[in-house]
Amino acid sequence: QVQLQESGPGLVKPSETLSLTCTVSGGSMSSYYWSWIRQSPGKGLEWIGYIYDTGSTDNNPSLNSRVTISVDTSKNQFSLKLRSVTAADTAVYYCARGSTVSRVAFDFWGQGTKVIVSS
Amino acid sequence: DIQMTQSPSSLSASVGDRVTITCRASQDISDYLAWLQQKPGKAPKSLIFRASSLQSGVPSKFSGSGSGTDFTLTISSLQPEDFATYYCQQYYSYPPTFGQGTRLEIE
Repeated sequence: QVQLQESGPGLVKPSETLSLTCTVSGGSMSSYYWSWIRQSPGKGLEWIGYIYDTGSTDNNPSLNSRVTISVDTSKNQFSLKLRSVTAADTAVYYCARGSTVSRVAFDFWGQGTKVIVSS
Repeated sequence: DIQMTQSPSSLSASVGDRVTITCRASQDISDYLAWLQQKPGKAPKSLIFRASSLQSGVPSKFSGSGSGTDFTLTISSLQPEDFATYYCQQYYSYPPTFGQGTRLEIE
């Protein structure tokens, strides 16, 4: 059974960079798309972007210029950097795996990590 | 972006009941629709892909139907563990988008 676990700071100051890592266990990262998704009371569930095991990425245009997603398959990890954060970026951040049905139909999710943007 | 609208936003039901949740897309998404279940403090869990195909391990009490713009999720014989929030998600076009959720509560 594939498991995903997010890690990273729970508090980030406004204008700084939010950095999270997702560690994948119980399976290989090869041949799958790996996404970041966030959930906030105001905006609900919002897809941030994905990365393939080769390193190719695609991001939500609403966040595109602030997002960098990277992968380290040797560590079975992929990461999210979100620059210039504001209070609107406060959310629970999830990592998830794209299924064989679609790269953005998610079959496994991490437990989520809450990130608060505040000074 | 494609807008996904669920109704109702909340629903009260009793153990043993059968309930139906509706999801409407702002444009034709064929059958590129998933249903997710989320319990408080937990990650979403995928239930259904392609509008009606149950994920492995999901009990047959869950069923989905629809295509185009209108979709339904039906849950039969409600049990205490089914009370949760349910989301639809389209993956027809980028970016993938989610409904606002339907909270299913015990009556």
